Amino acid sequence: IQMTQSPSSVSASVGDRVTITCRASQGISNLLAWYQQKPGKGPELLIYGASSLQSGVPSRFSGSGSGTDFTLTINNLQPEDFATYFCQQANTFPLTFGGGTKVEIK
Amino acid sequence: EVQLVESGGDLVQPGESLRLSCAASGFIISSNYMSWVRQAPGKGLEWVSLIYSGGTTFYADSVKGRFTISRDNSKNTVSLHMDNLRAEDTAIYYCARHYCNVGTCYYFESWGQGTLVAVSS
Repeated sequence: IQMTQSPSSVSASVGDRVTITCRASQGISNLLAWYQQKPGKGPELLIYGASSLQSGVPSRFSGSGSGTDFTLTINNLQPEDFATYFCQQANTFPLTFGGGTKVEIK
Repeated sequence: EVQLVESGGDLVQPGESLRLSCAASGFIISSNYMSWVRQAPGKGLEWVSLIYSGGTTFYADSVKGRFTISRDNSKNTVSLHMDNLRAEDTAIYYCARHYCNVGTCYYFESWGQGTLVAVSS
């Protein structure tokens, strides 16, 4: 299953709302996760089941979608949110990731 | 506290072999699904291999027949033995613990810091 993320990068300011989309090449129900990765670190799980927030993740992160189209929204962007975000389908082998979206400071 | 620490990355020549290890603390590896995921420099993430708690293993087509995942329950470690390495295997290799939720156990809950494998002549 191919996972297509857009945009590949976005410039935003502290306090902005950022929306990232992820499209699966075939339906995956709600079996989708979002990860945040900062330079030099392993990814961190933010959202699973398309919309469930992982423990400890701030509520300004939210996810939605089902089937083939999914969205990650970051409200009130904070300095620590500037990072790269990946989606991942958890429906079928091989497990696959989107190409990533880099959130940069405007 | 859950912690994963990878080791074993190195610079090797094409065709050579390498063994990566992942030491876990804060949980028991044999009770969890564990995967290796890699990331080529400046690129995205690619799942490589998975070992179930029951021992069944899975591989990406790109490494099938060349890589072998295993675990040592006495040391609480999971390993990735890589044979016949190619330039395209150059990447940071992460060890990851899976998380189960309704319908799937294929989310990655905890990750290590990664170990770099460079394949070049």
